[in-house]
Parts: sequence; C-alpha cells; structure tokens
Amino acid sequence: AQSVAQPEDQVNVAEGNPLTVKCTYSVSGNPYLFWYVQYPNRGLQFLLKYITGDNLVKGSYGFEAEFNKSQTSFHLKKPSALVSDSALYFCAVRGGSSNTGKLIFGQGTTLQVKP
Amino acid sequence: DARVTQTPRHKVTEMGQEVTMRCQPILGHNTVFWYRQTMMQGLELLAYFRNRAPLDDSGMPKDRFSAEMPDATLATLKIQPSEPRDSAVYFCASGSRGQGAWYTEAFFGQGTRLTVV
Repeated sequence: AQSVAQPEDQVNVAEGNPLTVKCTYSVSGNPYLFWYVQYPNRGLQFLLKYITGDNLVKGSYGFEAEFNKSQTSFHLKKPSALVSDSALYFCAVRGGSSNTGKLIFGQGTTLQVKP
Repeated sequence: DARVTQTPRHKVTEMGQEVTMRCQPILGHNTVFWYRQTMMQGLELLAYFRNRAPLDDSGMPKDRFSAEMPDATLATLKIQPSEPRDSAVYFCASGSRGQGAWYTEAFFGQGTRLTVV
C-alpha cells in the first residue's frame, strides 16, 4: 500500500530565510510525487511534481523539491521565504505496483513565515 | 481557463436528509477523485474513477455514501442519510494520463463545505 508521511505539523521560519518542508513516501514501483498548497477556504493548488529525470524539480512561486530515492524523500524547499508563503502544504504520491493511479496525501504541514 | 467546478459551495442540512454534491471535471480529463477534508483526519480519499469506472472506493462508508459518474462531464457524491459526523469539506479533483507518463497532477475544485446539524 502506498503512503505519505509529513513528520512536522508546523514549520516556522523568518521571512528571507530558507525553508524546508519534509515528506517521505512508501510505494512499490516507481513513485510519482507531488506538492500542493492550500490557502484558507480554498482548494488545493498544484506546486510541482516529480515523474522522472532530474532529482531536483522546480515549481511555482520559487519552490523546488528534491527527490531522494534511497531515503524515499521528497522535501519541499525555497531559498528565501515570503510571508505570503504561509499556508498548508501537502505532499502526495501516485503509483504503486498495481498502477491504479490512486493519489494519496500526507497529513499536511502548516508553514508559518514571520516578518 | 479550465478548472474543476463543484456545486454547491456550501450546504447546511439537517441530520437524516440526503445530500448530493456535484463535480464537473476539466474537459478531457479521464480520472476523478473525491476527497473529504477534516481537521482530525486531514485529506481522505473517498473514491476514484478512471474513464467513468470506479477503481477504488475503499475509503467511502458504503452504507450511506455513493459516488457515480453518469457521464464524462459530471461526477456526483451522495450521502443518505446524512449525519453530523459527515460535516467536512468535500473536494473533487480531476486529472489525465500524461504523455509518456502514467500519472500527472490532479486539479482540485474549490470544495463543498457541508454542515449537518
């Protein structure tokens, strides 16, 4: 069975500092990994994905994520945080040996960027 | 601007009533997901369709929930009878199979906020 873990309920960073939101996954076969962001009272917005190729993927709003197969991780990063980045972030995985394409989300991490 | 459309955006109903939530996926997308979001459980996958056929509904309470896709432009999620514990935000998302890749990202609607009193 596929699963995603986001070990931190909340991450606090100061504006201008780098940020990292952690994600680890478990899936048999090739993982297809995604990050989404959710602002209050809104749906989830797609940020970036890893399908194949370069382990470092770049996405919207200056975010990037690094795929690490040996550590089964897909951490979200940004070199310089903005107050407007404060939101709820979800990591997700599709794939698995059964190849049904089910999309499973982690519990989410609240990012708080303080001025 | 292609997007997933969900109706209604808000619904308040009394316990025991039937609730129907609707979703119009992005034209051309062949996969549809229904999720429920609560503070306690986070995002739970309720049902998953590909080419209108249900592939997985293991996350859905079968006694009161049902999900269907009567055609490619409409997905429905019904709760009958509704209970206060069903209060949550219900999201629909759609996606497609990408070129050279099995699975691409899914696009989410704005959600239906359901309150059962």
